[in-house]
Amino acid sequence: DIQMTQSPSSLSASLGDRVTITCRASQSISTYLNWYQQKPGKAPKLLIYSASTLQRGVPSRFSGSGSGTDFTLTISSLQPEDFATFYCQETYGTLMYSFGQGTKLEIK
Amino acid sequence: QVQLVQSGSELKKPGASVKVSCKASGYSFTSYALNWVRQAPGQGLEWMGWINTNTGNPTYAQGFTGRFVFSLDTSVSTAHLQISSLKAEDTAVYYCARVGSSWYESDYWGQGTLVTVSS
Repeated sequence: DIQMTQSPSSLSASLGDRVTITCRASQSISTYLNWYQQKPGKAPKLLIYSASTLQRGVPSRFSGSGSGTDFTLTISSLQPEDFATFYCQETYGTLMYSFGQGTKLEIK
Repeated sequence: QVQLVQSGSELKKPGASVKVSCKASGYSFTSYALNWVRQAPGQGLEWMGWINTNTGNPTYAQGFTGRFVFSLDTSVSTAHLQISSLKAEDTAVYYCARVGSSWYESDYWGQGTLVTVSS
């Protein structure tokens, strides 16, 4: 199985900050990497797929980059509604599409 | 608009079975596969597998074989997840999610169904 490791596990930031979350795969996954945002008590929401393609309706302050094993999710200027938990997920593997353990973004 | 509406919360005893439903609307049901994802209380997301809504062929992730069954009723655009021989560790929120494209991303999600297993 492919293992996905996110860092950091938690992060405190202020409104307007630029934030970067990293996701590392245990083997190359090309660009088969998705990012989701989940707020408490809600279903996850797709932000980015194929590593860098912004899902329709997602604000342009979110961006993704990377290929192979190393990926990043960047929020250019934090807004109040951005505080949530973020997950990466690989969809390259066979019989298993692993998620990262999550990164909780909190208000400083 | 695309919607996935799941059935309500369930409280079951250990050893019982449960069936969670996921009704799709706003798109051609058989044109997009469906993922199933589990989230235990306070934990992260686990991909359980997916079902090809055109052929009905399910694929199960490791750890979700044997007691877990994905099925379809295409006449009412509904997918089902059945879990048998329930254990306390099956307590979780179960999500269905549409597979959006060949990148296998989950682009639309159901609201989740909480299954609680307790004696």
